[in-house]
Amino acid sequence: DQQVKQNSPSLSVQEGRISILNCDYTNSMFDYFLWYKKYPAEGPTFLISISSIKDKNEDGRFTVFLNKSAKHLSLHIVPSQPGDSAVYFCAADPVGGADGLTFGKGTHLIIQP
Amino acid sequence: NAGVMQNPRHLVRRRGQEARLRCSPMKGHSHVYWYRQLPEEGLKFMVYLQKENIIDESGMPKERFSAEFPKEGPSILRIQQVVRGDSAAYFCASSPAREETQYFGPGTRLLVL
Repeated sequence: DQQVKQNSPSLSVQEGRISILNCDYTNSMFDYFLWYKKYPAEGPTFLISISSIKDKNEDGRFTVFLNKSAKHLSLHIVPSQPGDSAVYFCAADPVGGADGLTFGKGTHLIIQP
Repeated sequence: NAGVMQNPRHLVRRRGQEARLRCSPMKGHSHVYWYRQLPEEGLKFMVYLQKENIIDESGMPKERFSAEFPKEGPSILRIQQVVRGDSAAYFCASSPAREETQYFGPGTRLLVL
């Protein structure tokens, strides 16, 4: 049972445009969400997070939006740069529950020159 | 400040052998998490440890797998009598406290022949 879903295995965006990566979750106990970026043969790198008490968090070119009623979050990258090409994982953390993060399967973002 | 260190980066074992994976957390971090990533999948939580204690091992297979985080030295994930299905990338993460952001190491890629 996939509790965190990233339904787009890949996404291609032109350099300079906005990249939007989506993530849906099913577990209402999740209250903290994170995005990680991963290059091949490397570990995931933390990008940005959001608590369930907020609906938006911004850090430079990266913004995460959370819609609790729809159990949906998205990561916006603007403007997209070639170095943004990587696999992006959405992860969720439940309040008071297991201490491990629950990850989606990832979306491979390709930035076209 | 050195990041999370994992070694070896690549490990090849024959069926029935033992695999030992090591993880040194970031300086100042006393919480360690192990995850496994199968091909084309997201990361799956295995176990969460603090120094000398296993806090949550809900994601750990019941047989052949064990983990420790001794008072001195790195955390060890041990897989006994490896099988081909154990072939995966194993990632370690650390955090300064419970429910703080987890930072990942580069991973150990285990191949079982």
